[in-house]
Amino acid sequence: EVQLVQSAGEVKKPGESLTISCKGSGYTFTNYWISWLRQMPGKGLEWMGRIDLSDSYTNYSPSFEGHVTISADKSITTAYLQLSSLKASDTAMYYCARRDDTPDYWGQGTLVTVSS
Amino acid sequence: EIVMTQSPGTLSVSPGERATLYCRASQSLRGHLAWYQQKPGQAPRLLMFGASTRATGIPTRFSGSGSGTEFTLTISSLQSEDFAVYYCQQYNDWPYTFGQGTKLEI
Repeated sequence: EVQLVQSAGEVKKPGESLTISCKGSGYTFTNYWISWLRQMPGKGLEWMGRIDLSDSYTNYSPSFEGHVTISADKSITTAYLQLSSLKASDTAMYYCARRDDTPDYWGQGTLVTVSS
Repeated sequence: EIVMTQSPGTLSVSPGERATLYCRASQSLRGHLAWYQQKPGQAPRLLMFGASTRATGIPTRFSGSGSGTEFTLTISSLQSEDFAVYYCQQYNDWPYTFGQGTKLEI
């Protein structure tokens, strides 16, 4: 069974950094990209970026470039999303998902709350 | 960036009825259009890709059509579990973008 399991939600202060993990299982991890998406409270979905697990190539949406870093450790079939210099506006649910174009399996989501 | 516009914002229907959701793109997608369903507190679920191909396990009451810039998702006979928010998404040009969603309610 394909599964993507994300790390637990976090509460952070403005200016702090945060790394969310996404562990894949039930499939050949390096055969698919992992995408990261954001959903702000009560809002729609935004594609942040994606990583090709075969060679760790990444590309980012211009809206998120410079503010997020996507990486992976193939040896433990885990992808990461790092958010830096957090602001209150980063409060959102963050999802990892399998595939780079039409995500077919999704993590359960990680709720990030940024509050002073 | 391609802008995706969904209509209506909210659609009120009854179980057993047919629902048609619309999605318009700001430029041609060459068929690179997907649909997702999202229920409260859950991650989105892929319903359709390539505008009209059902994803694995999706019931046949869901169908997609369209080309170019205009697309539709039709649910032929609504079941109680279909009441959710539906998003269209283009994957023709990076960054891939979503519509704002259509809420299907009773």
